[in-house]
Amino acid sequence: ETGVTQTPRHLVMGMTNKKSLKCEQHLGHNAMYWYKQSAKKPLELMFVYNFKEQTENNSVPSRFSPECPNSSHLFLHLHTLQPEDSALYLCASSRFGASGTNNEQFFGPGTRLTVL
Amino acid sequence: GENVEQHPSTLSVQEGDSAVIKCTYSDSASNYFPWYKQELGKRPQLIIDIRSNVGEKKDQRIAVTLNKTAKHFSLHITETQPEDSAVYFCAASRSNFGNEKLTFGTGTRLTIIP
Repeated sequence: ETGVTQTPRHLVMGMTNKKSLKCEQHLGHNAMYWYKQSAKKPLELMFVYNFKEQTENNSVPSRFSPECPNSSHLFLHLHTLQPEDSALYLCASSRFGASGTNNEQFFGPGTRLTVL
Repeated sequence: GENVEQHPSTLSVQEGDSAVIKCTYSDSASNYFPWYKQELGKRPQLIIDIRSNVGEKKDQRIAVTLNKTAKHFSLHITETQPEDSAVYFCAASRSNFGNEKLTFGTGTRLTIIP
């Protein structure tokens, strides 16, 4: 699959589990993002990475821990989550620093997370 | 921070008619306004965007208008078709050399009635 891929697509975990979400982009982009999408709420930006450096943490609880080892991969490590953390977690990527108009964010298919 | 409000939350339109979705934003420094379409079970995809140096942009049946003074922007879809049925999200950001920290609206579920 080309573009932005995410694994797993579905994840069910208990509150004491530790799991990780993975995102990979094949577009040559250098900015990556994590979003949370809950029912009846707007897409919420969680983290932004530019050239592997975190530039934005949108007041996200520490039970969510991002990792960006290179410009193509982004992880979200999860531990001791709460049921209200159940949501669709979307990864996106874009070109950073590009002049002009095309800074479109390309989204992955998301990971549907359920916390029991 | 930025706050984006979107209306209506649901919209049903007869096939062939026009649909209009409106958004307001709070940060007068915001200068980039994209619209994303999310079909059921699929990822959001950019359909059109506008920057604050223009007031209107059109792409076939889709157009976006921006009123900087009033801080609102709208999506217009003409000659609607069944495949236009989806959730549409507006967003706003203060573009910082190409890095878009997007603040999204709550979405509008558009249903096209055949």
